[in-house]
Amino acid sequence: DQQVKQNSPSLSVQEGRISILNCDYTNSMFDYFLWYKKYPAEGPTFLISISSIKDKNEDGRFTVFLNKSAKHLSLHIVPSQPGDSAVYFCAANAGGTSYGKLTFGQGTILTVHP
Amino acid sequence: GAVVSQHPSRVICKSGTSVKIECRSLDFQATTMFWYRQFPKKSLMLMATSNEGSKATYEQGVEKDKFLINHASLTLSTLTVTSAHPEDSSFYICSGRGPSGLANYGYTFGSGTRLTVV
Repeated sequence: DQQVKQNSPSLSVQEGRISILNCDYTNSMFDYFLWYKKYPAEGPTFLISISSIKDKNEDGRFTVFLNKSAKHLSLHIVPSQPGDSAVYFCAANAGGTSYGKLTFGQGTILTVHP
Repeated sequence: GAVVSQHPSRVICKSGTSVKIECRSLDFQATTMFWYRQFPKKSLMLMATSNEGSKATYEQGVEKDKFLINHASLTLSTLTVTSAHPEDSSFYICSGRGPSGLANYGYTFGSGTRLTVV
């Protein structure tokens, strides 16, 4: 039972354009969502997060949008840079005693072309 | 802040031997450590949750006798893969959580360990 889904295995974007990565979830107990960037054979690097009480959070070139009614979140990267090329994981946490315990999506490979 | 150091980064072992992976919280006390596993081109899957001074809680389908977790101190947790077999080859990652009320701890990961069993 995949509670967090990233339905696009890959995304290719031109440098300077916007990258939009999508994530859907099914567990209504999730109340905190995170995006990570990961390179092969390395641990995930935290990018940005959002609490379920918000619908948008912005940090520099990264913006995360949350649509609770649709159980959908997205990560926008503007402008995209070649250094952004990596695997991006969406993750969710149910809070409470599960605080810190993450459920991950399958990941989306982002390639930004110069 | 919230740095988790994981060692070794890469290990190759013979089938039937045991391998120990260490995760240390460098600048906070990790009351809880989470252990994840990633198969090639797959997602990260939670294996177990360890709390300092008590037994680990394993996710469904994870063999507790094969993956021994020890969390004897607030800064160190270890995962031992016992009697390793080629199917145990994977990428193992930990993350640490501090006492409740500290934001963002539990969301910082170690650098991972690539285990190859030959």
